[in-house]
Amino acid sequence: EVQLVESGGGLGQPGRSLRLSCIASGFTFEDYAMHWVRQSPAKGLEWVASIAGNSGSIAYADSVKGRFTISRDNANNSLALQMASLRPDDSALYYCAKAQSLRWNAHFGSWGQGILVTVSS
Amino acid sequence: DIVLTQSPATLSLSPGERATLSCRASQFINTYLAWYQQKPGQPPRLLIYEASNRATGVPARFSGSGSGTDFTLTISSLEPEDFAIYYCQQRSSWWTFGQGTKVDMK
Repeated sequence: EVQLVESGGGLGQPGRSLRLSCIASGFTFEDYAMHWVRQSPAKGLEWVASIAGNSGSIAYADSVKGRFTISRDNANNSLALQMASLRPDDSALYYCAKAQSLRWNAHFGSWGQGILVTVSS
Repeated sequence: DIVLTQSPATLSLSPGERATLSCRASQFINTYLAWYQQKPGQPPRLLIYEASNRATGVPARFSGSGSGTDFTLTISSLEPEDFAIYYCQQRSSWWTFGQGTKVDMK
């Protein structure tokens, strides 16, 4: 059974940094692209960032480009999102998601339970 | 960016009725469309991928159709557990989601 468990959220101040982590189990982690998606009442579901299984392809939404960095450690089945220069509109529930197939741009087949990030002074 | 517009915003139906949800893309996306179901306090769950393929474990009462710019999710006979919010998502150009259709009980 696929399991994705996020951690590291909480309260962050505007302009500061936070790091999210996601530990994966139940599948061959290095074979699949992984994603971060966020959800807020204002913006709904919003794709944030993606990384291929071998880290050879990485993509970011325009709203986070230059501020967020996605990375993965295949040896430890972990995914990370380093968030810098935080803004209040980065406040959301952040999900870690696994690609539905081996294709880089597949839909999102499995999701974690999410971790809340609140950006406020 | 490809914008997905879902309609209606809310669908009020009774158990046993048929639900028809629409998703329109702002440009051609072939069949690169998925449908997700989300219940309160839970993450989205993949129901349909590539417009018409049911994900593992999804009941046969859920079906998807369409290609190009117009897509439909049909629930043939609503069960109590189907009352939820449904989102469409495209993967033709990065990934974007629709704003959701809430299916609630009449």
